[in-house]
Amino acid sequence: EADIYQTPRYLVIGTGKKITLECSQTMGHDKMYWYQQDPGMELHLIHYSYGVNSTEKGDLSSESTVSRIRTEHFPLTLESARPSHTSQYLCASSYRATGSETQYFGPGTRLLVL
Amino acid sequence: SQKIEQNSEALNIQEGKTATLTCNYTNYSPAYLQWYRQDPGRGPVFLLLIRENEKEKRKERLKVTFDTTLKQSLFHITASQPADSATYLCALDHNQGGKLIFGQGTELSVKP
Repeated sequence: EADIYQTPRYLVIGTGKKITLECSQTMGHDKMYWYQQDPGMELHLIHYSYGVNSTEKGDLSSESTVSRIRTEHFPLTLESARPSHTSQYLCASSYRATGSETQYFGPGTRLLVL
Repeated sequence: SQKIEQNSEALNIQEGKTATLTCNYTNYSPAYLQWYRQDPGRGPVFLLLIRENEKEKRKERLKVTFDTTLKQSLFHITASQPADSATYLCALDHNQGGKLIFGQGTELSVKP
């Protein structure tokens, strides 16, 4: 089991609410990622970070924002949730093993916006 | 356009048989290719990676091949077991600072 944690695991919330999805890892990895995944579909990278105070947007446009104030913590925030934000959100961290970045994933947060 | 394709249809096999999953890609030149396992409602778990200059990699009952000419990787599970039932994802590392490009995955079901 990877030492990467996400809370909450499930969240049902009304439109317009502000939410923060938490992600923490205890492995000391510098690189962290947020993916969005719909059922039966591929993972889409929405944010990544190469270290403290470093954040970049991923390949899939997202209305969410992230911060990286501590190495172990990479929270994702939605200022105003909408039904289109309903999805599974996966957090990951990585290290370089034999030349390639191996990613460790958290269990995910399944978000339902009503 | 750049894309990764995995068998979209679920693969159903009998216990003890070898499962073979395919990952094809176009317009990438990946330095590495990785395979992950994902169970329902869980995050993916890393299984194996293979470099562009390696033809084959093994780990216990798992075997991965990588043909950069065909732009294809095959993932084999020998002596399959019902516990191997899951979705298997391939991911390309094309030297973008750790960012991976994931395929949509192939669902494998092993029947006893």
